[in-house]
Amino acid sequence: DAGVTQSPTHLIKTRGQHVTLRCSPISGHKSVSWYQQVLGQGPQFIFQYYEKEERGRGNFPDRFSARQFPNYSSELNVNALLLGDSALYLCASSPNQGGGNIQYFGAGTRLSVL
Amino acid sequence: AQSVTQLGSHVSVSEGALVLLRCNYSSSVPPYLFWYVQYPNQGLQLLLKYTSAATLVKGINGFEAEFKKSETSFHLTKPSAHMSDAAEYFCAVSDGLSGSARQLTFGSGTQLTVLP
Repeated sequence: DAGVTQSPTHLIKTRGQHVTLRCSPISGHKSVSWYQQVLGQGPQFIFQYYEKEERGRGNFPDRFSARQFPNYSSELNVNALLLGDSALYLCASSPNQGGGNIQYFGAGTRLSVL
Repeated sequence: AQSVTQLGSHVSVSEGALVLLRCNYSSSVPPYLFWYVQYPNQGLQLLLKYTSAATLVKGINGFEAEFKKSETSFHLTKPSAHMSDAAEYFCAVSDGLSGSARQLTFGSGTQLTVLP
């Protein structure tokens, strides 16, 4: 079975631009979460979506937004990119939204902002 | 609010030696605890998970962790290190009951080096 897939794998943008990152969850998983991992740090929670609704949001500015589609895939959008947005963006899926559920991670999208 | 502290950002062991990676957590309610491993240029892979069924949890690749409520700890161990264990390890907590139930809070990670 396919795991969590993310696209693109690498992306280079300049300050002020907009970026869209995509995630396909494991088949049957209805919850998708997004995390930002800055080099040398642990992942930080950005969003969780379950059944196409936002169910959790981390401490990130409004420049960050996301959505989940009827097929449970998800997009993360970041507007007005800053140098500090350079990071590995990880998507994770789980069967539902419960706290004890295992989250399965994709390989991530590495975003470089110049 | 929940938090995780991983003591030691870098740990080096010799091949065949004991691996001990430390994790302390803070949570206002009984937590769910996880250890993940990250190899270079890859995502996170689950090693093991604590959900209150048993305090000693066995995971993949010979790793295990013991939940100690009195010490608020969840240290990761492996009796004998292998070269393939070299990677970054993350401890994470999810409390499962509050509004933050839906997110994992990660520690800052421990880079494990295995020396030949």
